[in-house]
Amino acid sequence: DAGVTQSPTHLIKTRGQQVTLRCSPKSGHDTVSWYQQALGQGPQFIFQYYEEEERQRGNFPDRFSGHQFPNYSSELNVNALLLGDSALYLCASSPDRSYEQYFGPGTRLTVT
Amino acid sequence: GDSVTQMEGPVTLSEEAFLTINCTYTATGYPSLFWYVQYPGEGLQLLLKATKADDKGSNKGFEATYRKETTSFHLEKGSVQVSDSAVYFCALSLYNFNKFYFGSGTKLNVKP
Repeated sequence: DAGVTQSPTHLIKTRGQQVTLRCSPKSGHDTVSWYQQALGQGPQFIFQYYEEEERQRGNFPDRFSGHQFPNYSSELNVNALLLGDSALYLCASSPDRSYEQYFGPGTRLTVT
Repeated sequence: GDSVTQMEGPVTLSEEAFLTINCTYTATGYPSLFWYVQYPGEGLQLLLKATKADDKGSNKGFEATYRKETTSFHLEKGSVQVSDSAVYFCALSLYNFNKFYFGSGTKLNVKP
């Protein structure tokens, strides 16, 4: 079992650009959550996807959007990048309505 | 709003010392509470959980008790080891685990 995988590992973008991050959940998991972790801080919940729909959302602007595919994999899209979007983006998967989240290694996004 | 506050680090202890990392929370409704750990170079992983008041979560010698009257979930271990050096995050979950809030993390350094 590969666990939760994320791609790419690192990414450098310029202010104003758009970025797409990808996540493949652990086998058997149908729920995917995305988090933003700034340096030295805890993860902040962006949103959760289940059955290809956004089920819950944290306090993030509409520039942050996502998608879940029929195979449960997910994408996080961020438009109009700001310097403050520089962070580690974590994906976590779980079975539906389970407390047991498994986290991926993250994608390090740097906005210059 | 819903949030988690945990003691700032770093916390530096000698091997076999007693550990307490304080965590308090603010939440609407009845949250579930968690401690996650991030070892150097590794991803976030669940350490222990408690889903209702007075529950005690335990794992790997760590314990935490869900105290509704003090809105706390302090992490304790009787005798820390060098291998416990990591960053510890307190977290709460609402809405049937559809939304999570994390604290800012506490770095623990254990010296031989």
